[in-house]
Amino acid sequence: EIVLTQSPGTLSLSPGERATLSCRASQSISSSYLAWYQQKPGQAPRLLIYGASSRATGIPDRFSGSGSGTDFTLTISRLEPEDFAVYYCQQYGSSPTWTFGQGTKVEIK
Amino acid sequence: QVQLVQSGSELKKPGASVKLSCKASGYTFTSYGMNWLRQAPGQGLEWMGWINTNTGNPTYAQGFTGRFVFSLDTSVSTAYLQISSLKADDTAVYYCARVYRGSDYWGQGTLVTVSS
Repeated sequence: EIVLTQSPGTLSLSPGERATLSCRASQSISSSYLAWYQQKPGQAPRLLIYGASSRATGIPDRFSGSGSGTDFTLTISRLEPEDFAVYYCQQYGSSPTWTFGQGTKVEIK
Repeated sequence: QVQLVQSGSELKKPGASVKLSCKASGYTFTSYGMNWLRQAPGQGLEWMGWINTNTGNPTYAQGFTGRFVFSLDTSVSTAYLQISSLKADDTAVYYCARVYRGSDYWGQGTLVTVSS
């Protein structure tokens, strides 16, 4: 089973700052099958990025994804108040096991 | 527009069973698989498995075999998750999510509370 490790666990930033979230895989995964999700309290997760770098429908361009192999990054170029949330990476190519990272909380500093 | 609407919260006693539903609309149900995911209170997301809505073939993740059953009623575009022999640590929000580009559309979640 592929293990995804996200860092940091918590990121304390101010609105307008840049956020850089990391997701490291225990073995190489295809970039085609790495996704990022945003989850706010009491809500279902929302797909932000698929295929490591493609934005999902309706996602603002301040969200970007990059990386390959075992190292992937989600960048939020300028944090808006609504971006403070928990972010998860997921690999979905290694069927039958799709796995999530443990999450990174982006909180207001 | 694509929507996944899940059934309401459930309160069950240990040892009981529960069947959750996930009704899809706004797309051809059998053209996309359906994931099931779990989120325990204050915890992260766990992928439970998925069901091929075209063939009805389920795939279960490790740790979700035996007591968990995915099923379909394609006539009403609905996927089901049945959990038997409920335990306290089954207490969680259960989500269905369409299989596409990971999981592109999610239901609102169903809270299952297992308590005596």
